[in-house]
Amino acid sequence: DQQVKQNSPSLSVQEGRISILNCDYTNSMFDYFLWYKKYPAEGPTFLISISSIKDKNEDGRFTVFLNKSAKHLSLHIVPSQPGDSAVYFCAACLSGAGSYQLTFGKGTKLSVIP
Amino acid sequence: DVKVTQSSRYLVKRTGEKVFLECVQDMDHENMFWYRQDPGLGLRLIYFSYDVKMKEKGDIPEGYSVSREKKERFSLILESASTNQTSMYLCASTPWYSGANVLTFGAGSRLTVL
Repeated sequence: DQQVKQNSPSLSVQEGRISILNCDYTNSMFDYFLWYKKYPAEGPTFLISISSIKDKNEDGRFTVFLNKSAKHLSLHIVPSQPGDSAVYFCAACLSGAGSYQLTFGKGTKLSVIP
Repeated sequence: DVKVTQSSRYLVKRTGEKVFLECVQDMDHENMFWYRQDPGLGLRLIYFSYDVKMKEKGDIPEGYSVSREKKERFSLILESASTNQTSMYLCASTPWYSGANVLTFGAGSRLTVL
C-alpha cells in the first residue's frame, strides 16, 4: 500500500517558467511533509518542509502548498532554472516523539530546458 | 554541517559474496537509516537504528542485516548478495528530538551484483 504517491514520473519545463510537482498521501495521520531533491550519483538533500498546521511555506523560489482535506501537497518552483533539473521526492511522517521514519514517494524527475 | 560518509561509492560483487556497506556520521546523531533507491520505486527503508546496538526493521529487510557497535557508525550487511540487490544504497542520520526528522543523507553506494 503506497501511502505517498507522486503520480508524475517526469516533468519538463521551460527555463523561467513555473514548475509544479504534485504529491498525494493516504495516511491522514501524517502531519509533517518534506521535499528532497536528488542529483544523479549524490544523496538526496532536504529542500523544504511544511507542518500540517500550515497551508503554505515559502523559501526563496520554492513554495510548498498543503491541502489537508484533499491530502495533497505541491511544490512550486518559480522561476525554474536549469540547475533545478533533478529528481524530487515527496516524504511524509508523524512528527511526534519516537517517529523515526519518513515515507517517500517514488519521485518526479524534473527537467528544466534552457 | 552534518556529514554522512559512505566509504564505498561504487562496488561490484559476485552472487553469493558477503558485502559490507559502511556509513559514518560526525554529528553525534542518535538515529541512523539505510535506504535503497531503485528507478520507479523511490526510496525504501531497509533498517534503522535509534541507539547503539539497537536496530529496527524497515519496509524491506529481507536479505539484509545491520550492525551498530558505535554511535557514529552504521553498517549494512548483505550475507549472500543476489542480483536483485543491485541498487543505490543510501545512509542517513538525524538527531533524536521531539519533532519531525529531517534526514541528512550520504552520497550513496552504488552496488552491482553480477
